[in-house]
Order: sequence, then C-alpha cells, then structure tokens
Amino acid sequence: QVQLVESGGGVVQPGRSLRLSCAGTGLSFSSYGMHWVRQAPGKGLEWVAGISYDGSNKYYADSVKGRFTVSRDNSKNTVYLQMNSLRDEDTAVYYCANGRHGSSPQFDIWGQGTLVTVSS
Amino acid sequence: QSVLTQPPSASETPGQRVTISCSGSTSNIGSNSVYWFQQLPGTAPKLLIYTNNQRPSGVPDRFSGSKSGTSASLAIGGLRSEDEADYYCAAWDGSLSAWVFGGGTKLTVL
Repeated sequence: QVQLVESGGGVVQPGRSLRLSCAGTGLSFSSYGMHWVRQAPGKGLEWVAGISYDGSNKYYADSVKGRFTVSRDNSKNTVYLQMNSLRDEDTAVYYCANGRHGSSPQFDIWGQGTLVTVSS
Repeated sequence: QSVLTQPPSASETPGQRVTISCSGSTSNIGSNSVYWFQQLPGTAPKLLIYTNNQRPSGVPDRFSGSKSGTSASLAIGGLRSEDEADYYCAAWDGSLSAWVFGGGTKLTVL
C-alpha cells in the first residue's frame, strides 16, 4: 500500500525552529520528486517547497525562501522540511505529496498532514 | 491574493452540471499543465485532474477538465451530495519557479 506519513508537527514559539519529516512506503521513493504543501486554518492550499528525486534541485515559495530548507534521505525513504525563524503566519497543516516520477501525475499521493502551530 | 483566480463559491442541485473556473496568466496556465484537487472537510486533498484533462484511475468520468489560453475549467456532471467539497486548481509558474494554487471554490450541492 502506497503511503506518505508526516511527523514532527507541534507548538513552537515565534522565531524558533522545527523539522518535519515525511516517510514513504510502498513506492520507489528514491525515484520520486516530492512536495510540501500547507494549509492555514480555514484557508486554501499553498505550495511550500519541492525537491527532485535525487535532491539536486530544490524550489521554494517566496513566503518561505531563506527560512525553510527541503532535503531528503533516500536511504530512509524520507523527505524533510527544516523550518527556521518561524512566524505566526506559518501556522498550518503541512502535507507532503509526490512530485515528478516518469509520466505519473504529480500530487497523486498525499500524507495525512501534520499540524504546526506557531504561538507564544 | 492567490496567483490563480477561482470563484469562492458555486452551487447546483443534484443531478445537474456545474463548472468551476480558474484564471491565470501566460507564465502559469498559459504555458503549463493544470491540476485540479478535491478536498473534503478534515481530509487531505485528492487529485481529480492532471495535465489539464486527464483523470487518475478511480476518478469518475463525471469529472472533466479543460484549458483554453490562460484559463481552465473543472466540470462536474450528475452532481451528488458527496461532491460537496472545496476544489482547487494549480499550475507551475515559470516566472516564479513555483507551484501556484487558486484560492479554492466551495461547492454546495443544494
């Protein structure tokens, strides 16, 4: 069964850091690009970051550029989102989703999401 | 303010057809594929349409997508109560080097 499972969310104070993880099972993880997408409470979807299958290419939304870093460890079938200098507006449910993999559609596989709350 | 523009709401009665629009620009919809997602309350988004008009396996053919110029549309025919959800469009934006989403459309099945 193909599955993505996020972890690492929680409550953090503004200005602090948090690292999210997304573990994949049931898929050739090392051949998939990956995305992070977030959703603030009561708001729409916002793409946050993406990483190629081998980690050589990374892309970020302007809202997180310079503060967030996406990385991956294919030996652990896991992609990470390191979030530094967190702000109130980063409060959201963070989802990981599949990226490019041959001719397969992107965003076809989603995790259940992990909630990050930035609050003092 | 989202880069892609969707109407905030839409409504229609069961059995009817509804269309949701998504307007962008030459740097996103005008030059890249459009994706559509359905999100039921409290759940992760689900891919409905990719590459403008392709359905992943398991998505009923009641759902269809189209694109013309810098705009795209999602049509849902034979509406059912379970179609009541939020719908989002998305596309890669070459100028931003980022994926952009529409603000979402809340569909009500009356």
